[in-house]
Parts: sequence; C-alpha cells; structure tokens
Amino acid sequence: EIVMTQSPATLSVSPGERATLSCRASQSVSSNLAWYQQKPGQAPRLLIYAASTRATGIPARFSGSGSGTEFTLTISSLQSEDFAVYFCQQYNNWLSFGQGTKLEIK
Amino acid sequence: QITLKESGPTLVKPTQTLTLTCTFSGFSLSTSGVGVGWIRQPPGKALEWLALIFWDGDKRYSPSLKSRLSITKDTSKDQVVLTMTNMDPVDTATYYCAHRGIRGVIGAFDIWGQGTMVTVSS
Repeated sequence: EIVMTQSPATLSVSPGERATLSCRASQSVSSNLAWYQQKPGQAPRLLIYAASTRATGIPARFSGSGSGTEFTLTISSLQSEDFAVYFCQQYNNWLSFGQGTKLEIK
Repeated sequence: QITLKESGPTLVKPTQTLTLTCTFSGFSLSTSGVGVGWIRQPPGKALEWLALIFWDGDKRYSPSLKSRLSITKDTSKDQVVLTMTNMDPVDTATYYCAHRGIRGVIGAFDIWGQGTMVTVSS
C-alpha cells in the first residue's frame, strides 16, 4: 500500500498571502495525484488531477506541481473561501489518501 | 449535470451488515470508462477508499477491507449498492459515493454525493 503523508498538519496563513501544501508518497506514483478541498459538513471537491491539471471550474489561483514522490499544492492569493482542509490522493497503485492539511486563517 | 446521492440506515448494530445505495443521474454506468466508487470518512479523520465498480462490471476493493465488502450495480435503476459485513463501532463514518471522472487503474473522483452518516452502536 502506498502511504501518502501531508505536511504540515495545520497551516496558518493570512488572506491574500500564498499557501504551499505538501504531499509525499512512500513510493513513486508518477503524476497520478489528485488534490481535494473539503469544507466543514461538505463533500470533498476535486481541485487538481494528474498532479497539475485544474479540474473544471477551479480558479487559476490553485496550482499543483510535482511528480514521483513529492507534490505541492499552491494557492497564490488566499481568499476567505479557501480556508478548508485539503487532501491529496494517489491513483497510481490502487488508491490512497493523505491525512489532510487544515488551512486556517492567521 | 452529474449528481449522486447516498441512502441507507443511519444507525446499525455491531456485527450487522450495512447496505448503502448510491442513486445517480447525469451519466450511465454502461458507458465505457465510467465508474462509481465508495469512500468513507470517520468524524474528524481522513478519507478512506472502499470500493469501485466499473461500467463493464469489474470491481475493485480496498485490500484491507476486501473480505467485508461487496459492490454491485443496477444499470436500469442508475444505482450502485455497497454492502459491508460485520460492522464495528470503528466503522462509524460518513460514507460517500462518487463518480470516477479521472481515469487510472482506479482513478480519481470528480463528482461526489453529499454523504450519509452511519453510526455503529448497540
């Protein structure tokens, strides 16, 4: 089983600033990596797939990068609606999720 | 517009079997490449993939839960059913079904249902 490790567990950032979230795989997942956003009481929403492709309707301030075992989700200028929990998910070998990063207002 | 909605019991007793139904619209599970999966999330915890069924009837299960899971589809009703046997309090979670919109061996999920909370308690 591929273990996905996200860091940090909690990230405090001010609105308008940049946020950088990390996801590491225990073995290579190539570019088969997705990012989801989840707000309290809501289902996850797909943001990024194939490591760097934005899903339909996702604003350009969200960007993904990386391949192999190291991945990054960057939110260029945080809006109030971006404060949420973010999960990464690999789909190269079966399917597994990271434990999440909570992005909170500083 | 693709939508999915989960239904089933909110409370089950330990050792019982859980049966959840995902009713969807906006796509057909007989179309090549399409899949519907189940994912769960214990309160305050991470997501855990459970199972996926493909348009051709192929089924994939989480290796850690495979012995307890069964996934089936009814294309005529646009439904996918998940059963999980021998329920335990640690299985208390919100259960989601989702549309596999991103291809891969399993793939990723682009549209999710609202989720249904299941509590396991005597």
